[in-house]
Amino acid sequence: QQPVQSPQAVILREGEDAVINCSSSKALYSVHWYRQKHGEAPVFLMILLKGGEQKGHEKISASFNEKKQQSSLYLTASQLSYSGTYFCGTSVGGGFKTIFGAGTRLFVKA
Amino acid sequence: GAGVSQSPSNKVTEKGKDVELRCDPISGHTALYWYRQSLGQGLEFLIYFQGNSAPDKSGLPSDRFSAERTGGSVSTLTIQRTQQEDSAVYLCAIRDRDYSGANVLTFGAGSRLTVL
Repeated sequence: QQPVQSPQAVILREGEDAVINCSSSKALYSVHWYRQKHGEAPVFLMILLKGGEQKGHEKISASFNEKKQQSSLYLTASQLSYSGTYFCGTSVGGGFKTIFGAGTRLFVKA
Repeated sequence: GAGVSQSPSNKVTEKGKDVELRCDPISGHTALYWYRQSLGQGLEFLIYFQGNSAPDKSGLPSDRFSAERTGGSVSTLTIQRTQQEDSAVYLCAIRDRDYSGANVLTFGAGSRLTVL
């Protein structure tokens, strides 16, 4: 039931791009993306809803392929502040129970 | 997050003791979640409360774990006869809407439990 994230870890130089993937074996209603910096609580980045509606509040984009039951998070022109662990969370069947993937560790170096 | 207060922030206990972790959300949030995060690991779902409905306890790892939510507000996660593998950060989250109208989870700072 837990979504699968890939890659497990990414090391980037400042200004480079990255893609983080999230896939599920079950039909998805929505996909959430969160970022957690070391020693801090996870913080909401973006939500993608079935039907294509997308909501978020940072300069980060994402896609949601309902047929393939997967989502991708796109980080372009990465900044040092992008470093952290990115989690995707999925809800099944329109409910609000959110299950998270194991996370993708992103490290951006100068 | 500012909307969720958790206590204690750190708890060190001996194996076999019982512990209680508290989550105090801003009033008015009907949905409350508990997650566990072991060192370097992901967010493991434990339990979910939604209004007056029966909680979804499907993530509780054993019968040593229980949680309750009194008056639709404060929640307490209790771990009985703690084991070393219970050591983790326990995160509480509430479901809220951000400025764009999206349903999002706002997490508390967590309670770090260390079982010696």
